[in-house]
Amino acid sequence: SQTIHQWPATLVQPVGSPLSLECTVEGTSNPNLYWYRQAAGRGLQLLFYSVGIGQISSEVPQNLSASRPQDRQFILSSKKLLLSDSGFYLCAWTGSLNYGYTFGSGTRLTVV
Amino acid sequence: EDQVTQSPEALRLQEGESSSLNCSYTVSGLRGLFWYRQDPGKGPEFLFTLYSAGEEKEKERLKATLTKKESFLHITAPKPEDSATYLCAVHANAGGTSYGKLTFGQGTILTVHP
Repeated sequence: SQTIHQWPATLVQPVGSPLSLECTVEGTSNPNLYWYRQAAGRGLQLLFYSVGIGQISSEVPQNLSASRPQDRQFILSSKKLLLSDSGFYLCAWTGSLNYGYTFGSGTRLTVV
Repeated sequence: EDQVTQSPEALRLQEGESSSLNCSYTVSGLRGLFWYRQDPGKGPEFLFTLYSAGEEKEKERLKATLTKKESFLHITAPKPEDSATYLCAVHANAGGTSYGKLTFGQGTILTVHP
């Protein structure tokens, strides 16, 4: 069966520090991968998606970047965090959209 | 641009009090409408996919329906464990191509009191 792992679960980082969030998928190959951000009391906003290794598309201009160094690994990064980067970050994958996305457990990022 | 609006923002029910959540959408070429449940501090959990107007799907106390403009999530005789945020999302054609992007609504926070 397919599983998705996302870590860390919580993170408190100072403004200006770097960020690296990792997401891995098991039990499938060539998945579509997504990074979403959920601000408090709001819906999910798509940040990046990837349809293959090294293929990254950005949905909104921002202080963040994404990379896919391996088929089932998706990384969200920042060189210098801003206060506005705080939020709940969710990684998701899909093979067939008949079942929608499968989400990871999320990372609560607080930038202080 | 695809838009999804959910109402109400929050709903409080007594245990056993049935009700419905609404999801209105404006898209160019609906390919699928999804319902998710999200518990606090966790990732959303998939509930249903609906593809065409008139379609219905059920799971325990939940039933999802779809029209050309909106979807309803009906909750029959809810229990406290049904308390969660319910998210609606659409997958639509984007200029004839699709990379699986889902556009989400803001969610409805459901609280069921015993």
